[in-house]
Amino acid sequence: AQSVAQPEDQVNVAEGNPLTVKCTYSVSGNPYLFWYVQYPNRGLQFLLKYITGDNLVKGSYGFEAEFNKSQTSFHLKKPSALVSDSALYFCAVSEYSWGKLQFGAGTQVVVTP
Amino acid sequence: DVKVTQSSRYLVKRTGEKVFLECVQDMDHENMFWYRQDPGLGLRLIYFSYDVKMKEKGDIPEGYSVSREKKERFSLILESASTNQTSMYLCASRGGQGLSGNTIYFGEGSWLTVV
Repeated sequence: AQSVAQPEDQVNVAEGNPLTVKCTYSVSGNPYLFWYVQYPNRGLQFLLKYITGDNLVKGSYGFEAEFNKSQTSFHLKKPSALVSDSALYFCAVSEYSWGKLQFGAGTQVVVTP
Repeated sequence: DVKVTQSSRYLVKRTGEKVFLECVQDMDHENMFWYRQDPGLGLRLIYFSYDVKMKEKGDIPEGYSVSREKKERFSLILESASTNQTSMYLCASRGGQGLSGNTIYFGEGSWLTVV
């Protein structure tokens, strides 16, 4: 069985400061990991994914994520947060290349000016 | 760009009504999905389809059915709407080749209120 946890309901950060959104996962095999962002009253937008290869994955809007197999984590990061990054962020995992995605509960990011 | 279109953004239906939520994708994707999103619960998979006329139950299929007669269209049906089906419904699709492989792309969502 696969599962994903986002331990923080909300992350508050000042504009210009580094932003980290945490995600841990559990799968029986090699994980396929994804991050999505959702703005109010909108669908989910794809940010980045880890399939294989380099542990540091770069994605859209200056975001990156670090895959850590030993800690079963895939934390999302941005070196300098913008007010426009305020949104709901979802981590997702799949056990297979074409399998179902299991989503976390989401983390609300609030960036203050 | 991948385009997943949900025809209705906001609907209000009465208890017991039959409700159709329509979704169309323009990238010839084989896989399509219906999710439900509720605060604090994240996204939960209702049904998915690997190809035309193929469907599989997700985590919460009770009270729902689906139809996929054409590759580009995936419909979610609430046979008899109930108030506990008030939610945001998200359609998604996934292709097989190239840079977009494995990635699921979402529509804008349909807000359904059952009164």
